[in-house]
Amino acid sequence: SQQGEEDPQALSIQEGENATMNCSYKTSINNLQWYRQNSGRGLVHLILIRSNEREKHSGRLRVTLDTSKKSSSLLITASRAADTASYFCASSLSNDYKLSFGAGTTVTVRA
Amino acid sequence: DTAVSQTPKYLVTQMGNDKSIKCEQNLGHDTMYWYKQDSKKFLKIMFSYNNKELIINETVPNRFSPKSPDKAHLNLHINSLELGDSAVYFCASSQDPRNYGYTFGSGTRLTVV
Repeated sequence: SQQGEEDPQALSIQEGENATMNCSYKTSINNLQWYRQNSGRGLVHLILIRSNEREKHSGRLRVTLDTSKKSSSLLITASRAADTASYFCASSLSNDYKLSFGAGTTVTVRA
Repeated sequence: DTAVSQTPKYLVTQMGNDKSIKCEQNLGHDTMYWYKQDSKKFLKIMFSYNNKELIINETVPNRFSPKSPDKAHLNLHINSLELGDSAVYFCASSQDPRNYGYTFGSGTRLTVV
């Protein structure tokens, strides 16, 4: 079964708007990661947040982690057409080499 | 320079055939993975090798056999292909997912007819 569940499944926004997507997971984690997948391409690592961190930024990306609620969110600010992609969260359990992926959120940015 | 390269990119084959997908990484990572992505974009881990040693072997039919001749290569051989094997197969590598992200290849789209 999938470790993570993402919400919403799909999101359509206007260029310049912010996009927020959420991820919930089931068991205690070592870290949580976000990836982007453009259509027909491989996944690209965006950001990793450790279990003892609450917020992390990378350019226009902001990730939060709430371990008490077993949830994370990814915010993309000032979206661009090039941000159109599927976004996946993935969790790494303690002492585990495996990343378990959520179902993904498909984001469409309209020009 | 491509960091994680997979070949072939597309593979169309008939049921019952045997096929292989190759993966190579030039990042010096210790750990390599095979993931399967289905038509709904669910990603499921299949295998992982750390320094040529199998460390993850999820519930995968034994028609699938990984081989790692060295830590830079991880190949996937599939025997007696079935329609349900149609998917996109991704190779990935990581120094250590407990501390670093994965680098993915561009995928191999396998279609079994």
